[in-house]
Amino acid sequence: GDSVTQMEGPVTLSEEAFLTINCTYTATGYPSLFWYVQYPGEGLQLLLKATKADDKGSNKGFEATYRKETTSFHLEKGSVQVSDSAVYFCALSSTGANNLFFGTGTRLTVIP
Amino acid sequence: DGGITQSPKYLFRKEGQNVTLSCEQNLNHDAMYWYRQDPGQGLRLIYYSQIVNDFQKGDIAEGYSVSREKKESFPLTVTSAQKNPTAFYLCASSILGDAEAFFGQGTRLTVV
Repeated sequence: GDSVTQMEGPVTLSEEAFLTINCTYTATGYPSLFWYVQYPGEGLQLLLKATKADDKGSNKGFEATYRKETTSFHLEKGSVQVSDSAVYFCALSSTGANNLFFGTGTRLTVIP
Repeated sequence: DGGITQSPKYLFRKEGQNVTLSCEQNLNHDAMYWYRQDPGQGLRLIYYSQIVNDFQKGDIAEGYSVSREKKESFPLTVTSAQKNPTAFYLCASSILGDAEAFFGQGTRLTVV
C-alpha cells in the first residue's frame, strides 16, 4: 500500500542554518507529493507540492524536488528563521485518489 | 474570506458520552475529510465524502460516524464506542479530483 516515511525529529537548528528534512515514499503509479506545515495549536497549511517527476515545488524559501528514481521528496531551506519553527508533514496522493497519506511529521525548532 | 471553520477549538467529554464536532466550509469544495492526529503518528483518515449524502470509511472509522446533508457541512460524531477518543481532530476539504487539501484549525477533544 501507499506510505510515506519521514525523517524522525525533533530537529533543532540555529537561525540561518541549512535545513533538510528527508521524505521517501512507496506508491503505485505516479503520486502527487506535498509538504504541509503545522504551527502550534493550528491546522495544516500547504507549503509546497509537486505533481510529476523532476518537478520542484517551492514556497517561502523552501524547496523540494520530486525524485522518482529515489522515491524521495526531501524538504530544504537555505537559511531558516525562528518563525519556521513548526511541524512539517510530507504527504502523498496516489493517482486517482482524493485522500492524502501522511508521514509522522518532523518537529523543527529554530533557536536565535 | 473563504475557508474551513471547525468548532469548538477545545472540547471536553465525559466517558460514555457521544460528542459532535462541527466542520463548515465556504470554498464550494465537493470533497471533505476528517483526520485524527496523535503525537508521533501523523494524521490518519477517519471518514471522507465526495458528494452530498455519500461518505466512505477511512483507515480508523470504528467508533465514529459522519453525515453529509449539505455540501458545506461535514460533522463528525465521536461515539462512546471509540475506545481512545482523546486526540486532535482535523477537518479538510478539496476540489474533487484534486488531492490538495485545505485544513481547518482543528478541535482538541479530551475525555475526562
